[in-house]
Amino acid sequence: EVQLVESGGGLVQPGGSLRLSCAASGFTFSSSWMHWVRQAPGKGLVWVSRINTAGTTTKYADSVKGRFTISRDNAKNTLYLQMNSLRAEDTAVYYCAKDLSFNQVDYWGQGTLVTVSS
Amino acid sequence: QSALTQPASVSGSPGQSITISCTGTSSDIGGYNYVSWYQQHPGKAPKLMIFDVSNRPSGVSNRFSGSKSGNTASLTISGLQAEDEADYYCSSYTSSALVLFGGGTKLTVL
Repeated sequence: EVQLVESGGGLVQPGGSLRLSCAASGFTFSSSWMHWVRQAPGKGLVWVSRINTAGTTTKYADSVKGRFTISRDNAKNTLYLQMNSLRAEDTAVYYCAKDLSFNQVDYWGQGTLVTVSS
Repeated sequence: QSALTQPASVSGSPGQSITISCTGTSSDIGGYNYVSWYQQHPGKAPKLMIFDVSNRPSGVSNRFSGSKSGNTASLTISGLQAEDEADYYCSSYTSSALVLFGGGTKLTVL
């Protein structure tokens, strides 16, 4: 059974940093592209970032480019999202997601809430 | 990176069919057959319902079907059931190798 378990969310002040983790199991993590997708309270899904299998190619939404960094540790079956210079508008539930093909997601984690507020 | 356009809400009675549209451009929906649809119940993670425009993952009811014409994709749910009430999101691959989601459609089963 595929499982994606996010952790690391919480309350952080504007300008602060946070690192999210996503522990993967039930599939060959090292063979799967991975994504982060976020959802602000009461709003829709917004794609954040994607990483290839080796961790050598990454893509970001314009809204987070230069502030967020996606990475992975295939030995630990873990995906990360380093978030710096956080803003109030980054407040959202962050989902870790497994790529099926061509940026289509077949499995989602349960999400972790990030709240940016003073 | 503007979001794909979906109606904010649709509704239907049990047993009826409804269709949710998702409009993009030739740089996303119109240019690729990588359109997917997700169902999200309140407080839950999204669930993949359709991929590659019209394919259903194993375990998804055949009451759900997808199609595409030009820059617009559609999700049709036939034989509406109470448990279909949820938010639905479309998504497309883009010419920049990025991901665009639609704004979401709230389906109400009357």
